[in-house]
Amino acid sequence: QKEVEQDPGPLSVPEGAIVSLNCTYSNSAFQYFMWYRQYSRKGPELLMYTYSSGNKEDGRFTAQVDKSSKYISLFIRDSQPSDSATYLCAMSLTGGGNKLTFGTGTQLKVEL
Amino acid sequence: GAVVSQHPSRVICKSGTSVKIECRSLDFQATTMFWYRQFPKKSLMLMATSNEGSKATYEQGVEKDKFLINHASLTLSTLTVTSAHPEDSSFYICSAQTGTGDTDTQYFGPGTRLTVL
Repeated sequence: QKEVEQDPGPLSVPEGAIVSLNCTYSNSAFQYFMWYRQYSRKGPELLMYTYSSGNKEDGRFTAQVDKSSKYISLFIRDSQPSDSATYLCAMSLTGGGNKLTFGTGTQLKVEL
Repeated sequence: GAVVSQHPSRVICKSGTSVKIECRSLDFQATTMFWYRQFPKKSLMLMATSNEGSKATYEQGVEKDKFLINHASLTLSTLTVTSAHPEDSSFYICSAQTGTGDTDTQYFGPGTRLTVL
């Protein structure tokens, strides 16, 4: 079993739709949870950062962490074609020196 | 914002040659740099962690004699793939952060695509 599971997609939605992306993980010791966006042939860009359980909102993006279920989500409201990219979840441990464990990424396409 | 660059962005080499990839933090000092590799449609896999002035710490299964990492200054780390073979073809990405703590933000470079013929 992989430490972090993420549906690779591709996920195709119409412009304006609400997008839900999620990851499950097996290591209950993970405390820090991140979502990165990666455009083709580029490095990942940090979108959201959450510590422990709870919700965090930033503009059109909302990150949720449910540690009891080992499940994290990223919601994108009013999706735009420019949101088309691969979204990677990542997580790390307390005292782990910020070593990140990534999911495989979900490829998202927002169509006009 | 914090910017990390990588050079070259793409390299093609013959089997058996060595390739050096540079990772630079352009507007901040990076105490810690990380090197990842990413295969098509696969996750980023951490290869090693390097702290300025110290030997790199390699992840299990990564050959330290094959992937030489040098972090000689607070703005530059290099990854040298020695005696490269076709199976080393991959997308190599570095990241940099200002400290060594759990909550420091990692800033990623744009990646280097290595193709070994």
